[in-house]
Order: sequence, then structure tokens, then C-alpha cells
Amino acid sequence: EVKLLESGGGLVQPGGSLRLSCAGSGFTFTDFYMSWIRQPPGKAPEWLGVIRNKANGYTAEYNPSVKGRFTISRDNTQNILYLQMNTLRAEDTAIYYCARGITTDYWGQGVMVTVSS
Amino acid sequence: DVLMTQIPVSLPVSLGGQVSISCRSSQSLVHSDGNTYLHWYLQKPGQSPQLLIYRVSNRFSGVPDRFSGSGSGTDFTLKIRRVEPEDLGVYYCSQSTHFPLTFGSGTKLEIK
Repeated sequence: EVKLLESGGGLVQPGGSLRLSCAGSGFTFTDFYMSWIRQPPGKAPEWLGVIRNKANGYTAEYNPSVKGRFTISRDNTQNILYLQMNTLRAEDTAIYYCARGITTDYWGQGVMVTVSS
Repeated sequence: DVLMTQIPVSLPVSLGGQVSISCRSSQSLVHSDGNTYLHWYLQKPGQSPQLLIYRVSNRFSGVPDRFSGSGSGTDFTLKIRRVEPEDLGVYYCSQSTHFPLTFGSGTKLEIK
């Protein structure tokens, strides 16, 4: 069974940083692209970026809306996906999801990030 | 960015009825590899979005055949027959042909 479990969310002040983690299990982690998506309360999801699989060199693509502030990485020995978020703003407040692939066939349960003073 | 426009925003339905949701993209979703990467998701209250249909018309694992997707180019439709209580929630279309990936604003399916 495919499982994705995010962690690391919480309350952070504007200008601060946070790193989210996503532990994957039930599939061969290195075979898959992995995505991050966020959803502000009551709004549609917003794709943040993707990191490719082993066959495609683990390179990443980002939404221009977060490029330069957010970085996606992965630890393929522990099957963990990361999202490093810097210079956080109030508008980054959302539920953050990791998802498998670029079709995002499986999603985690999400973790809340609140940016507020 | 590719703009995804969903119609309607809200869709009242009677249980057992049939509904259609429209999704239009601001540019063609045909990829250079020939595939069309248009997908449909359902987000039930308090849950993560779940994939229903991928690449226009392919039902994801475990999705009942009451759900069907169709369309091409920039114009796509999700149809739900014999609506059941478990089908209620917000439906999103999404494209992964072009970076950045984008989602529609959602269609809320609710009981009439």
C-alpha cells in the first residue's frame, strides 16, 4: 500500500524558514517523481514543484511563484522527500501536501503551515 | 501559466442522478509526446484530493465506472452517473502537460 506522511508543519513568523518532510512507503521511491502541492484554506491546490526520479537525474522544476525561496530535495536512502521554505510570507499559509509522481496519483494527508507574527 | 476554467462552480444533484463538469484550458494540453495530461480529482470534506481520472479518460485504481472522462485539446468533461453520497465534495481538473502544473478552481458537488 502506497503511503505518504508529511511532517514539519507549524507556526512560523514572516521571514522565517521551515523544512517539511514526506516519508514514502509501499513503492520503489527512486522510481518516481515526487511533487509538493499546497492548498490555502478554502482554495484550490497550487503545485509548487517536482523532483524527478533516479532515471532522470533527480533534477527539480518549480512554480515561478516560489522559485528561489523553496527548494525540493530527496533522501533516497531513507525514502524521504523534503521541502525547504525560506523567507516565508503570510500568503504561504496553507496545507502542504506531498504527492507521488507528476500525475500525483497518491497524496499525503497534508501538514498545516501558518505564517503569522 | 495554463489557466484551467471549471464550470459550474457549484452543482446541486439528486442522489442517483447524473452530472457533468466542464474544464477548459487556456492552451492545448496535447504534449509533444502525443499524450494529453488532463486529470480529475475529488476532494472529500476534510481529506486530501484523490485521483479519479488521469490522461483524460483513464480511471484510476478503484474508481467505479460511474465516473468517466472525455475531451481533447482544450475542452474536457467529467461525467458522474448514479451519484452516490460518497461522491460529494469538490472536483478539480488539473493539467501536467505544461510547467507549472495548474488546477482548476473546483466544482462543488452537493445534494439538491
